[in-house]
Amino acid sequence: GDSVTQMEGPVTLSEEAFLTINCTYTATGYPSLFWYVQYPGEGLQLLLKATKADDKGSNKGFEATYRKETTSFHLEKGSVQVSDSAVYFCALRAGGSYIPTFGRGTSLIVHP
Amino acid sequence: DAGVIQSPRHEVTEMGQEVTLRCKPISGHNSLFWYRQTMMRGLELLIYFNNNVPIDDSGMPEDRFSAKMPNASFSTLKIQPSEPRDSAVYFCASSPLQGVDEKLFFGSGTQLSVL
Repeated sequence: GDSVTQMEGPVTLSEEAFLTINCTYTATGYPSLFWYVQYPGEGLQLLLKATKADDKGSNKGFEATYRKETTSFHLEKGSVQVSDSAVYFCALRAGGSYIPTFGRGTSLIVHP
Repeated sequence: DAGVIQSPRHEVTEMGQEVTLRCKPISGHNSLFWYRQTMMRGLELLIYFNNNVPIDDSGMPEDRFSAKMPNASFSTLKIQPSEPRDSAVYFCASSPLQGVDEKLFFGSGTQLSVL
């Protein structure tokens, strides 16, 4: 079945540091890939997505590139802020069942 | 748009009691999902509806859990009887279409505590 593996957290950084959160996947066919963010006390919300190989999704300074050859969709940001502290979920959605598959989530803590 | 609306936001109950969680998806969305989130198990899919019909309920833990979607604008998740291990945050999410490109819109969740 489909699966998503992301790095375990928490990831702790100082403000303005570079962020990478790794995500790899297995899926049948050609899935669409997503990053969701969950702020404390809230539901998940879409951060960015990519729907085909080599596509780059971007939003709020975050970027991720759909790499079919390495089955990866790593999340990056050049300079994090305290307000980026949240839990980040990598997810995919593939044809067939259309049921989204989520990773376990990675907690990011940014210190001033 | 008001987004996906869940109620109640918090529920505290005693073991053995019936609990009903409610969800109003975004108008026009055809797909609805119920998830459960815990520290130990992460985000788990409980059940998926498409056009008000349950498509996949393989994630429903046991017979104590049941979900209904009587119409396109309302869904319920019921636990009877509730147990302490059911304590978790329960999320409802909706999606416009049953497509691989479609994102999910999540509600704010219901924090359930079973004492």
